[in-house]
Amino acid sequence: AQKVTQAQTEISVVEKEDVTLDCVYETRDTTYYLFWYKQPPSGELVFLIRRNSFDEQNEISGRYSWNFQKSTSSFNFTITASQVVDSAVYFCALASGGGADGLTFGKGTHLIIQP
Amino acid sequence: EPEVTQTPSHQVTQMGQEVILRCVPISNHLYFYWYRQILGQKVEFLVSFYNNEISEKSEIFDDQFSVERPDGSNFTLKIRSTKLEDSAMYFCATLGVQETQYFGPGTRLLVL
Repeated sequence: AQKVTQAQTEISVVEKEDVTLDCVYETRDTTYYLFWYKQPPSGELVFLIRRNSFDEQNEISGRYSWNFQKSTSSFNFTITASQVVDSAVYFCALASGGGADGLTFGKGTHLIIQP
Repeated sequence: EPEVTQTPSHQVTQMGQEVILRCVPISNHLYFYWYRQILGQKVEFLVSFYNNEISEKSEIFDDQFSVERPDGSNFTLKIRSTKLEDSAMYFCATLGVQETQYFGPGTRLLVL
């Protein structure tokens, strides 16, 4: 069985602070894919990043960075110099096997950036 | 950019009524997915559809649900006899590049 745990239900920081969202996953598959999606107040699900289990390279995209560590089954997401527009619910998700399987989502972290 | 659109954006129905939610891909896709998100909760996988057949389904996807691609373009989710607990946001997704699922804007279903 697969599982994604986002232990932080809600995080509130002041604008310009750095913030890290945690994601821990469980799977028995050796090949799997990890994702982060953003859900702003408007409700849509916006894809942010995808990682496969063979690629542990960390990634940086502007103010966003992701730290994938297989040893701890974690795929954490850091926002540097947060902005009010970053306020959203962020979901970590897992797909096993061929990558075309249904995603298993975590419960999400509601990030509030205060001006 | 979204690769699918969904209609309607909102639907209100009476308990026991049938509803059909539609997903329209912007370009050719082979894989389709339906998910639901009960208000304030996580996104849950319902079903995946490949080559006009169900590929995988979750425990939530019971006999009251069905999917089809009637005209080779639109992908529909039918709920035969809605219950109060079916009230949720329903998302359609397609499989894009690098095996990434891209979600439509969702249909908010309210069952009264």
